[in-house]
Amino acid sequence: RKEVEQDPGPFNVPEGATVAFNCTYSNSASQSFFWYRQDCRKEPKLLMSVYSSGNEDGRFTAQLNRASQYISLLIRDSKLSDSATYLCAVNYRGGNKLVFGAGTILRVKS
Amino acid sequence: NAGVTQTPKFQVLKTGQSMTLQCAQDMNHNSMYWYRQDPGMGLRLIYYSASEGTTDKGEVPNGYNVSRLNKREFSLRLESAAPSQTSVYFCASRETPSYEQYFGPGTRLTVT
Repeated sequence: RKEVEQDPGPFNVPEGATVAFNCTYSNSASQSFFWYRQDCRKEPKLLMSVYSSGNEDGRFTAQLNRASQYISLLIRDSKLSDSATYLCAVNYRGGNKLVFGAGTILRVKS
Repeated sequence: NAGVTQTPKFQVLKTGQSMTLQCAQDMNHNSMYWYRQDPGMGLRLIYYSASEGTTDKGEVPNGYNVSRLNKREFSLRLESAAPSQTSVYFCASRETPSYEQYFGPGTRLTVT
């Protein structure tokens, strides 16, 4: 089993739709969680950190479920410009490294 | 503020050739990382440097060496390139104690 798993998609949604992705992690000692966005042929860019109480940044909401060991990303009112690959990343307590999922492809269509 | 820069952007090598990928950051970050990204595999850590003067192996270190030249620069060397090393290579840096990493634009390497 991979340490961090994501549904590769693609998720094809119309503009204005709400879409959610999950990311499961296997190590219960995981401490810090992140969502990155990666456009085609570009570098990953930090989208948002995921806090225990959940957090929101505009149309984006991130949630953490420690009991079931997953994080989620909800995108409301999808825009064409949201089309990208979304990577989750997990840090294990005290470690210097992030472990990344393989990413979920989102395609928003008009 | 350029952030994380990488050179070259593209490179084609023949099997057995060597090359060094350069990475520099101007954010005064302590930690630096080298990843490779292959289709369907996600980002895999090759080597990292938690601080100036230290380097450690990641998930896929075989066939690579690294040098943390100073706080700003972290290079990745392929001594004898193989077709299996065809990939996109990303450098990243992190300011401790945060765990957020910031990436360079990548180097697309093809080994024929």
